[in-house]
Amino acid sequence: GAVVSQHPSWVICKSGTSVKIECRSLDFQATTMFWYRQFPKQSLMLMATSNEGSKATYEQGVEKDKFLINHASLTLSTLTVTSAHPEDSSFYICSAPRGTSVTDTQYFGPGTRLTVL
Amino acid sequence: GENVEQHPSTLSVQEGDSAVIKCTYSDSASNYFPWYKQELGKRPQLIIDIRSNVGEKKDQRIAVTLNKTAKHFSLHITETQPEDSAVYFCAASGSQGAQKLVFGQGTRLTINP
Repeated sequence: GAVVSQHPSWVICKSGTSVKIECRSLDFQATTMFWYRQFPKQSLMLMATSNEGSKATYEQGVEKDKFLINHASLTLSTLTVTSAHPEDSSFYICSAPRGTSVTDTQYFGPGTRLTVL
Repeated sequence: GENVEQHPSTLSVQEGDSAVIKCTYSDSASNYFPWYKQELGKRPQLIIDIRSNVGEKKDQRIAVTLNKTAKHFSLHITETQPEDSAVYFCAASGSQGAQKLVFGQGTRLTINP
């Protein structure tokens, strides 16, 4: 099956610093990728849609200036959590559909666990 | 926008018995319904999916049914095994022609030996 990777797998940072998370599709190109966050024992909550070559689309309630998304190539999307605070601590997961059809399977990255001290 | 409700939140069954998890969705335009299995600290893994032009799909011990009229779909696992223990999420996409997935709240399934 298709492979999506994320880096880093976990990160600990101090409050006020910025953290960048990378999401890569390893064996296919993805014009669209998605970023989710997941709190312990909760569901995946879509944060934004990352669009290659254009601006990301953010879900209601997600601060675009705090969660910067860049989709610079067909295989890489990055999420930067700016001025991180303890409440930003969460499990961040990306996904990429293999194709542009609504019914194309989405493959998830392994996730990045962010802890903000 | 789309809203997906999933029940039950927890489910405990004896090994060998069947497990059923149900989801409802709100947007009749949604046309793709995947089910994911997530183990603790791991990525969600697709276990089965169904498209709106199909009423039922089966893959060995796993089956999914879709009722478009009622806007609900269900996951059925037969002959459950301990390794089936995990959190299962349903999702829906296709609303407004978008690929983004809207997830249900999840079901923690425990298989008792």
